[in-house]
Amino acid sequence: GEDVEQSLFLSVREGDSSVINCTYTDSSSTYLYWYKQEPGAGLQLLTYIFSNMDMKQDQRLTVLLNKKDKHLSLRIADTQTGDSAIYFCAERGYNQGGKLIFGQGTELSVKP
Amino acid sequence: DTAVSQTPKYLVTQMGNDKSIKCEQNLGHDTMYWYKQDSKKFLKIMFSYNNKELIINETVPNRFSPKSPDKAHLNLHINSLELGDSAVYFCASSHERGGSYEQYFGPGTRLTVT
Repeated sequence: GEDVEQSLFLSVREGDSSVINCTYTDSSSTYLYWYKQEPGAGLQLLTYIFSNMDMKQDQRLTVLLNKKDKHLSLRIADTQTGDSAIYFCAERGYNQGGKLIFGQGTELSVKP
Repeated sequence: DTAVSQTPKYLVTQMGNDKSIKCEQNLGHDTMYWYKQDSKKFLKIMFSYNNKELIINETVPNRFSPKSPDKAHLNLHINSLELGDSAVYFCASSHERGGSYEQYFGPGTRLTVT
């Protein structure tokens, strides 16, 4: 079945760049998404990328997609303490009725 | 201007009880979903409805019954609650006719079964 994997933890210093990685197995993925979850809150959609794109930039966020290796990354430039949260990648397969398969989430800790 | 709202935010109840969680979206979306997030933060889809029609029904015990009275509402009723049902339940919605199908999530309902 489909699977999405992320590393569980990432710690960076304020002002550095953070790179959160994700791998997936579904070769029929159409869209891939990044969500942010702060403690006790819901999931906030940060950005997404269509599967025929290699890169998407949105302000401090850069998404890179290597479809051949089924590897997705989210780079956050100039990371701030307010970026501390859990980041989930999710993939949407083709003709799956909208079902998103989520990774386990990467907990980003930003130290001052 | 809450896009996807859920009630209640917290629900504490005893084993064996029946409870409902309500969800409403004001985004004009045609599809709504229920996801379950366990204690390890793992998120898994349970159900989806498109225009009041059930589309996705994952391997969920039949004690869970979703109901969609209209496109803007999707409620979740749970019978005979068990300890293992304790989790955070998220409602989400999306527009499934073209576009990037972004799903927007509600704030979650934390269910604790004692």
